[in-house]
Amino acid sequence: AQTVTQSQPEMSVQEAETVTLSCTYDTSESNYYLFWYKQPPSRQMILVIRQEAYKQQNATENRFSVNFQKAAKSFSLKISDSQLGDTAMYFCAFMNRQETSGSRLTFGEGTQLTVNP
Amino acid sequence: NAGVTQTPKFQVLKTGQSMTLQCAQDMNHEYMSWYRQDPGMGLRLIHYSVGAGITDQGEVPNGYNVSRSTTEDFPLRLLSAAPSQTSVYFCASSRGTGGYGYTFGSGTRLTVV
Repeated sequence: AQTVTQSQPEMSVQEAETVTLSCTYDTSESNYYLFWYKQPPSRQMILVIRQEAYKQQNATENRFSVNFQKAAKSFSLKISDSQLGDTAMYFCAFMNRQETSGSRLTFGEGTQLTVNP
Repeated sequence: NAGVTQTPKFQVLKTGQSMTLQCAQDMNHEYMSWYRQDPGMGLRLIHYSVGAGITDQGEVPNGYNVSRSTTEDFPLRLLSAAPSQTSVYFCASSRGTGGYGYTFGSGTRLTVV
């Protein structure tokens, strides 16, 4: 079974600065997806960024980028130019690419990020 | 385009009562799932479906039942509510095999007293 670990329960950053959220995972699979989801106070789960394990290039979405280290099983999220609207709980998630797994997401415990003005 | 719609948004049940959490999606997604969110534990998979008529258990299926008679709907039934089922429940759907990520509903906060 896969496990996902987020070792930082809480983080804070000043507006306009850069912050990195950590995520490690454990799997014996070689073909999988990794995701970062954002959950603001509204409770809605919002997909921030995704990474396919077979792609060496790190994914980027505007101010959000990842550092994917497959050998180290590490998948960190970097938020540049932090904005007040980035305040949210952030979840790292793993999905095995094999169809027989039913495309199940395994989530980490979450990191609460607060952006201070 | 409504996406994934969950009802109700809030619910209080007494121990032993049963109820159904509704979930509907209008994106013609094959894959649908139910998760529960508890403090400090992230989201955990309850049941999932890879298409109409096909369902399977996730990580924490006990006390819950599902069916998938149509592509659009995936209701979650609590058979006999217990305080341990107090949680926030999310329904999610995905096109293909989920590799593009799941779209989540807005969640149902359930309290069992």
